[in-house]
Amino acid sequence: QKEVEQNSGPLSVPEGAIASLNCTYSDRGSQSFFWYRQYSGKSPELIMSIYSNGDKEDGRFTAQLNKASQYVSLLIRDSQPSDSATYLCAVGVYGGSQGNLIFGKGTKLSVKP
Amino acid sequence: SAVISQKPSRDICQRGTSLTIQCQVDSQVTMMFWYRQQPGQSLTLIATANQGSEATYESGFVIDKFPISRPNLTFSTLTVSNMSPEDSSIYLCSAGSGSGWDTQYFGPGTRLTVL
Repeated sequence: QKEVEQNSGPLSVPEGAIASLNCTYSDRGSQSFFWYRQYSGKSPELIMSIYSNGDKEDGRFTAQLNKASQYVSLLIRDSQPSDSATYLCAVGVYGGSQGNLIFGKGTKLSVKP
Repeated sequence: SAVISQKPSRDICQRGTSLTIQCQVDSQVTMMFWYRQQPGQSLTLIATANQGSEATYESGFVIDKFPISRPNLTFSTLTVSNMSPEDSSIYLCSAGSGSGWDTQYFGPGTRLTVL
């Protein structure tokens, strides 16, 4: 069974610090990886996608991918209280002709002022 | 990115009844999906809504319980049939223009409570 694992948290960091969120996945053939942010009572919002090994930066967010270790992470620099949310890692898996995303259970981040 | 709307945003239903949730995308998309998110849990894929053919259901979900329609490239419906309190959940529609393993954008969700 294909799985995506995340620490449920909560992860608490002070304002201005770097928050580091981690995710591992079981399907070695996966080629697409995503981070979504979900505020309480809201639907998931795409933050980053990454497809190649290495780092990908977008503003305060950096996604890191290591396919050999089956590991993907999200770094949030200069964390703000508005970053407090649950962060979902999603991995694209191939299934027949369609494929789909498998989501981790999410890591709850709390940024303290 | 696609803009997705869902109706209703929430509903309270009686046991044994059915509810149909609508999902509308502002542009033509290749893929549309239906997820369930139970309180404090992550997203579980119910099915892929295929345009012009029967939906593809994930293990544990059946057409009789969750019939899905997708009459065109911008619209889909999910019906939750013969509801029980265990069906109380948030139901989310998503859409993407690539393959099923590519980027998906989510609608605002439908919060369903079954009494």
